[in-house]
Amino acid sequence: AQSVTQLGSHVSVSEGALVLLRCNYSSSVPPYLFWYVQYPNQGLQLLLKYTSAATLVKGINGFEAEFKKSETSFHLTKPSAHMSDAAEYFCAVKSDGGGTSYGKLTFGQGTILTVHP
Amino acid sequence: GAGVSQTPSNKVTEKGKYVELRCDPISGHTALYWYRQSLGQGPEFLIYFQGTGAADDSGLPNDRFFAVRPEGSVSTLKIQRTERGDSAVYLCASSLKTSGSYEQYFGPGTRLTVT
Repeated sequence: AQSVTQLGSHVSVSEGALVLLRCNYSSSVPPYLFWYVQYPNQGLQLLLKYTSAATLVKGINGFEAEFKKSETSFHLTKPSAHMSDAAEYFCAVKSDGGGTSYGKLTFGQGTILTVHP
Repeated sequence: GAGVSQTPSNKVTEKGKYVELRCDPISGHTALYWYRQSLGQGPEFLIYFQGTGAADDSGLPNDRFFAVRPEGSVSTLKIQRTERGDSAVYLCASSLKTSGSYEQYFGPGTRLTVT
C-alpha cells in the first residue's frame, strides 16, 4: 500500500521568504509524485510532477521539488514567497504497480500556507 | 478548452434522501476518477473508470454509493439513504490515460451537505 505524509498542517512565512513544504511517501514500487495547489472554493491545480526523468522538478509559479529516493521525500520549495501563494498544498503519489493501486492518487493531509506581509 | 465540470456546485439534502452528482470530463479523456474530500483532509479515492467500466471501486465506503459512466464520458455518482457523515466535497478528475504520469485534471467539486 502507498501513503503520503505531509509534515505540518500549517506553514506561515513572510512575503519574500523561502517556502518549504515537506512530503514523505511510501510506495512499494517506483512512484509518480505530484504536488497540487487548492485555492479556496476551487479545484486542485497541478503544480508539478515527478516522472523519473529528473530528480529536480520545476513547476509553475516558481515552485520546484526534489525527489530523494533514499529519504523517500519530495519536498516543495519556492525561493521567495508571494502573497498569491497563500493556499492549501497537497502532495500525492501514484503507483503503476498493478492491482488495486493502479491509476489512483493517494493524497497527503494537506498543508495550508499563509503568507504575511 | 473546457475543463472538468461538476454539477451541482452545492447540494443540501436531508438525511435519508437520494442524491446524484454529475461530472463532465475533458473531451477525449478516457479515464475518470471520483474522490471525496472531507473538511481538513486530503482527497480520498472512491472509484475510477477506464472507458465505461469501473476499473477500481475499492474506495467506495459502502453499498449506498454507486457510480456509472454509461457512454464513457459523463459520470454520475449516486448516493442512497444519505447520512450526515456523507457531507464532504466530491471531486471528479479526468486524464488521457490511467497509466503512467498522465496528469489528472480536477473539477471544482460538488459540496454536499446532509442535514
